[in-house]
Amino acid sequence: QLQVQEPGPGLVRPSETLSLTCSVSSPSIASSGHYWGWIRLPPGKPLEWIGSVSYSGSAFYTPSLKSRLTLSVDTSKNQFSLKLTSVTAADTAFYYCATHHWQPHENYFGSWSQGTLVTVSS
Amino acid sequence: QSALTQPASVSGSPGQSITISCSGTSSDVGLYDLVSWYQEHPGRAPKLLIHDVTMRPSGVSSRFSGSKFGSTASLTISGLLSEDEAVYYCCAFGRSSWVFGGGTTLTVL
Repeated sequence: QLQVQEPGPGLVRPSETLSLTCSVSSPSIASSGHYWGWIRLPPGKPLEWIGSVSYSGSAFYTPSLKSRLTLSVDTSKNQFSLKLTSVTAADTAFYYCATHHWQPHENYFGSWSQGTLVTVSS
Repeated sequence: QSALTQPASVSGSPGQSITISCSGTSSDVGLYDLVSWYQEHPGRAPKLLIHDVTMRPSGVSSRFSGSKFGSTASLTISGLLSEDEAVYYCCAFGRSSWVFGGGTTLTVL
């Protein structure tokens, strides 16, 4: 089971950094053979893949966010994290974390968290 | 990367079959057999229904099936049940990114 944790009240000021952590109850991130992904749903827009990271820290980012985005993994806490810098109102969205299977004949986002709303506003 | 195109809404009566289309381009849906489908009920985490165009994970009802022709993928739900009322999303890989459709709201009349 996956759960998104946001350190604040779900509100981030423009130009600041959005930080989210996904806690994984099982399985162990270190023993998983798949990636760990982030997806978001902006209001009135389609779902958007943000990026995915492996247990070793190897990450793939969607091109439009690559310059502002860092994904990381903490295997000791069984968590993975997202940091998005210089946020604007366009980053307001429900954020999801998910298992990301990315290999021959196994390409999908498997287990998802519930969405967590992050609002960018002053 | 533009989103994949899905109809905003579809509807059907219990027991009927419906099909949701997902239109992409020759650079995503048409290029790779990497289409997946998800079901989302309000307040709940999205659920995987179909992956790699036609593959159905264990535990997913056989009433759900996927297909693809050219740059358009489709999800068919047969024997509609009231519990199928939800939002459905398609997803595909192309141009170094995973891209989703805009979502289709299914109403069971």
